[in-house]
Amino acid sequence: TQLLEQSPQFLSIQEGENLTVYCNSSSVFSSLQWYRQEPGEGPVLLVTVVTGGEVKKLKRLTFQFGDARKDSSLHITAAQPGDTGLYLCAGGGNYQLIWGAGTKLIIKP
Amino acid sequence: KAGVTQTPRYLIKTRGQQVTLSCSPISGHRSVSWYQQTPGQGLQFLFEYFSETQRNKGNFPGRFSGRQFSNSRSEMNVSTLELGDSALYLCASSLTGWVNTEAFFGQGTRLTVV
Repeated sequence: TQLLEQSPQFLSIQEGENLTVYCNSSSVFSSLQWYRQEPGEGPVLLVTVVTGGEVKKLKRLTFQFGDARKDSSLHITAAQPGDTGLYLCAGGGNYQLIWGAGTKLIIKP
Repeated sequence: KAGVTQTPRYLIKTRGQQVTLSCSPISGHRSVSWYQQTPGQGLQFLFEYFSETQRNKGNFPGRFSGRQFSNSRSEMNVSTLELGDSALYLCASSLTGWVNTEAFFGQGTRLTVV
């Protein structure tokens, strides 16, 4: 059974600080997607990484796929209150996406 | 273009009842997936339909069923509701349903079983 573990589960920091969220597994995935979900809404795709070692940047967000395609990280630089939300990672399994439990991020002004 | 539409947004049902949830995908998308989301559990995959056929199914009891119509709209049914079925039910549409393609989610249906 493929599993994805996200850490931390909850993170509350001050505006302007940096943070990293991790997504780890013992399984290899064909791709890794990161989503952000706001209260009352469905998840929205932020990025998809498919190549081991791949790094993608989206403004202040940096996503990395591990060399062995078993793990990924999301780094936010100078966090803003607008970054508040639930961050979910999802790995491309054989026939379906395998989801992490999510990291609830709160950025305090 | 219009996004994924789920109806109703909120539902309150009693144990033992059944419920039907609806999902209208983005025009042109033929794949619809359903997920159950509960706090701390992430998204649990229920099933995926493509061109009216169920292609994949998650580990949920037979009380959970679904179908897809020729216009790609999908419905999910839960029979004999239990308290533990209280959750946010999300549907996602995509062009092909392949795991590397982007999935677009609806706002979800919040089901409360009392």
